[in-house]
Amino acid sequence: KAGVTQTPRYLIKTRGQQVTLSCSPISGHRSVSWYQQTPGQGLQFLFEYFSETQRNKGNFPGRFSGRQFSNSRSEMNVSTLELGDSALYLCASSENLNTEAFFGQGTRLTVV
Amino acid sequence: SQQGEEDPQALSIQEGENATMNCSYKTSINNLQWYRQNSGRGLVHLILIRSNEREKHSGRLRVTLDTSKKSSSLLITASRAADTASYFCATGNTPLVFGKGTRLSVIA
Repeated sequence: KAGVTQTPRYLIKTRGQQVTLSCSPISGHRSVSWYQQTPGQGLQFLFEYFSETQRNKGNFPGRFSGRQFSNSRSEMNVSTLELGDSALYLCASSENLNTEAFFGQGTRLTVV
Repeated sequence: SQQGEEDPQALSIQEGENATMNCSYKTSINNLQWYRQNSGRGLVHLILIRSNEREKHSGRLRVTLDTSKKSSSLLITASRAADTASYFCATGNTPLVFGKGTRLSVIA
């Protein structure tokens, strides 16, 4: 079984731009979650989706948004990028809620 | 919110030694998961232990869970240089809530 795939792996953007990150979960997994990892704040929860519905949202500004498609693939979007948005963005998928979550390799976003 | 806190923050051992990391959390949980992260890469799922389990093994890994103390431990036996990584526990139903991790260095 293929693992969780995140694209792109690396991204450099300029302040004020927007970015879209993609996550393809493991086949058959219906739950997708997104996390932001920075050296200062550690791993912070962004969103959780299950069967196309957002179940939970972390404490992030409205510039951060996401969605899940009918094939369980998910995207997250960050608008009006700030320098502080530079981070490793990780996506995790799980078969159902409360089951093992498997992570992708992440997208390293650098905002300059 | 539920939060796992790993202890120690950093651990340095010689190859062949055992490494023990601890995790404490605040509220009741359905399960607790341990992950490994090599520098700048994704998290690798190591083991999930359910709230009604006390101990679980996977290869050189042994995880214990004490729900009365709201704590868990991860033991890596006969460590190798390749075990050098950060280790995280994650608690919660959904979403997972992570601590800051334990940075393990295994010196050859």
